[in-house]
Amino acid sequence: GAVVSQHPSWVICKSGTSVKIECRSLDFQATTMFWYRQFPKQSLMLMATSNEGSKATYEQGVEKDKFLINHASLTLSTLTVTSAHPEDSSFYICSARPPRGRYQPQHFGDGTRLSIL
Amino acid sequence: DAKTTQPPSMDCAEGRAANLPCNHSTISGNEYVYWYRQIHSQGPQYIIHGLKNNETNEMASLIITEDRKSSTLILPHATLRDTAVYYCIGSAHYGQNFVFGPGTRLSVLP
Repeated sequence: GAVVSQHPSWVICKSGTSVKIECRSLDFQATTMFWYRQFPKQSLMLMATSNEGSKATYEQGVEKDKFLINHASLTLSTLTVTSAHPEDSSFYICSARPPRGRYQPQHFGDGTRLSIL
Repeated sequence: DAKTTQPPSMDCAEGRAANLPCNHSTISGNEYVYWYRQIHSQGPQYIIHGLKNNETNEMASLIITEDRKSSTLILPHATLRDTAVYYCIGSAHYGQNFVFGPGTRLSVLP
């Protein structure tokens, strides 16, 4: 079964709308989760590292005021795309990293396809 | 993360073994080799990982060279559902995020 659950799987909204994407770790408590973005025919690009109880770490070129990340619990991280525009349309994927000492690989959600009209 | 190099695409006949190579000549001693695959419009799916020894699970086998500079993922009996992009990633077991390269697009042909 799924180890990481991502919701919604698909969303279409108007330009200027804010969209929230949830990522839940179902199998373990994840102090660290990651958010990736994938454009068509390209590979996954890391956007930010989400740390439970502290601020997210953003990759260079990713606007932190545009992509708000909240990791309020050990099993839930959310990504909010604020005032979304058509260029924000993409496939957003989260992953959860197992805690230290638990020798499991990083697990990924099934992604959220975001289309901004 | 270690830089990895993979062929951009490969074909394999259904029922035959698919051997996907990966070069990771700069991998450091504490970095594992991970393999994931991504089927169209889905998130990456974990396949297997290893450090030094060869590994096998229900999905695949991982052969790592003795100098750890390269590895091969083996799908013993490829099916049409194995058509996907396969990513090889070198990463420490804890502390590093994954850096995805372009991967290898495997097409399993009937």
